[in-house]
Amino acid sequence: NAGVTQTPKFRVLKTGQSMTLLCAQDMNHEYMYWYRQDPGMGLRLIHYSVGEGTTAKGEVPDGYNVSRLKKQNFLLGLESAAPSQTSVYFCASSQDRDAQPQHFGDGTRLSIL
Amino acid sequence: GQNIDQPTEMTATEGAIVQINCTYQTSGFNGLFWYQQHAGEAPTFLSYNVLDGLEEKGRFSSFLSRSKGYSYLLLKELQMKDSASYLCAVLDSNYQLIWGAGTKLIIKP
Repeated sequence: NAGVTQTPKFRVLKTGQSMTLLCAQDMNHEYMYWYRQDPGMGLRLIHYSVGEGTTAKGEVPDGYNVSRLKKQNFLLGLESAAPSQTSVYFCASSQDRDAQPQHFGDGTRLSIL
Repeated sequence: GQNIDQPTEMTATEGAIVQINCTYQTSGFNGLFWYQQHAGEAPTFLSYNVLDGLEEKGRFSSFLSRSKGYSYLLLKELQMKDSASYLCAVLDSNYQLIWGAGTKLIIKP
């Protein structure tokens, strides 16, 4: 049982380049989330989805776009990468929005030069 | 604004007990989570509290006081593998998790 799988695990981009981070979960969860984690700060929610075909903005959505065409996949896109987007990105999923814990992928370490 | 406070770093001795505190000020409250995160790895779920009181799960316990906006995670019989960061997170009125910056716990032999 793989749980939540993120690809790639590492990536280096140049300023202005675009890329897509992939997240797949095999737990049939309705809710999926994209976070970024920066030193000295808590995880910050970028975008989330409450079901297939739906997406919503989180705390720090600017510069990112998402899509959830299939229930098991949640894609995060960087339109024009900036050095401020250098971070560790985590995808998570949960069965419900309240008492159910979120299950995290192993993260994508992204550096923007 | 919303705020979660926890100590940046704590040190404890193998076999001892340590308490990691978390205070919060959020718009609404729908529960509090504790996660463990080893360096370079994903956060993993430890505990969930929504009512006041103590929840015990093996060597780990978590306490909540909603009136005080306060929680703690208690780790007993510390082992070297407990060296990690411990993240406190509150589910706010919009059912979004607000995360603290985490407490790095260092265990010494």
